[in-house]
Amino acid sequence: AQSVSQHNHHVILSEAASLELGCNYSYGGTVNLFWYVQYPGQHLQLLLKYFSGDPLVKGIKGFEAEFIKSKFSFNLRKPSVQWSDTAEYFCAVTRTGFQKLVFGTGTRLLVSP
Amino acid sequence: DTEVTQTPKHLVMGMTNKKSLKCEQHMGHRAMYWYKQKAKKPPELMFVYSYEKLSINESVPSRFSPECPNSSLLNLHLHALQPEDSALYLCASSQDWGSNQPQHFGDGTRLSIL
Repeated sequence: AQSVSQHNHHVILSEAASLELGCNYSYGGTVNLFWYVQYPGQHLQLLLKYFSGDPLVKGIKGFEAEFIKSKFSFNLRKPSVQWSDTAEYFCAVTRTGFQKLVFGTGTRLLVSP
Repeated sequence: DTEVTQTPKHLVMGMTNKKSLKCEQHMGHRAMYWYKQKAKKPPELMFVYSYEKLSINESVPSRFSPECPNSSLLNLHLHALQPEDSALYLCASSQDWGSNQPQHFGDGTRLSIL
């Protein structure tokens, strides 16, 4: 079945460590890719998005993601995490012509001070 | 603060009750969505409205009845719910259904069925 996979379910890091969260999708064709973050008790917020063009996209709060078409991946990165980055991170995908937003299972990130 | 407002934030209801969840956005978005999110799971799409018409119903039981009175409002009417319907219900909106514009989410209504 076509899906979005986030292989890291739980990640624990110390402050200032580098972060990379994996996201893979199994759709063919043109895709639109998103990373959303859900801080404890808050709503889902868009971190960044990729539609076309430069495969390296920069988002809010120092996050970036790289679209690698050959690997069907859209990994999220941050060079140095902060305690305030503790949250759940969701990768999501839509396909051109089929706009249903499909979420990955999420990665729960805990950053210890 | 989110630009999509959902009320109430919390709702506890019995299985025989009738209640409604409300969602409002003033961004001029023409697509609105209801999602259900269980604990530690991703949001699952329930309904999509585009230009105030129901575009997608993801085989949701009829005890959930959506309504879009106008382009800014989206309701979800609840009747005879089951304990397994306890979840966080999220409303979202986007510029258009069928475009690649991102969805904006509300804070959700946390629903508990007794």
